[in-house]
Amino acid sequence: KQEVTQIPAALSVPEGENLVLNCSFTDSAIYNLQWFRQDPGKGLTSLLLIQSSQREQTSGRLNASLDKSSGRSTLYIAASQPGDSATYLCAVRGSGGGADGLTFGKGTHLIIQP
Amino acid sequence: GAVVSQHPSWVICKSGTSVKIECRSLDFQATTMFWYRQFPKQSLMLMATSNEGSKATYEQGVEKDKFLINHASLTLSTLTVTSAHPEDSSFYICSARRDPTDNQPQHFGDGTRLSIL
Repeated sequence: KQEVTQIPAALSVPEGENLVLNCSFTDSAIYNLQWFRQDPGKGLTSLLLIQSSQREQTSGRLNASLDKSSGRSTLYIAASQPGDSATYLCAVRGSGGGADGLTFGKGTHLIIQP
Repeated sequence: GAVVSQHPSWVICKSGTSVKIECRSLDFQATTMFWYRQFPKQSLMLMATSNEGSKATYEQGVEKDKFLINHASLTLSTLTVTSAHPEDSSFYICSARRDPTDNQPQHFGDGTRLSIL
């Protein structure tokens, strides 16, 4: 059974810093990996999707990498801003079939101090 | 882009009440919809996979008679929490996928916060 772990569970940094969020998964047979943002009491906003054949994806100040063989992904946030404060979730989709749901980590709760 | 709409966003009701939550794909047809549940400070956990026109597939430990799922059309899936009790209080969220080969980012509804008194 796939398990997804995110480290750290919480992170508080001053505005302007670059930071890295980590995600690891136990079963490397994945279809893709997706990073989401969740604001308190809200739904999920998709940030980046990395296909199993890709190594990284970039969107603005965000860069996500994937090392499928070692079961790891990182989300790099450049020049952090207070508006980046949220919980960041990593989720993997298994390669076992088209109807696979996502397996989520518990998230990293990020606070960017003004 | 693809949009998933979920309704209602917040429900407060008495114990024993049945509650229906709707999940709609607004600009695409979804052969598969997924229902997740999130307890405070916990991760999202997949409850069931709903395929249009067929019975839902439930994850281990999820009572199918408690959580009734209907996916009668390609744009609508409903989750009914029957005879809800305080332990069913949680954040329920759905997502939709066009078809099994869809490799696009999966989009989610805004979720439904269910509070059972």
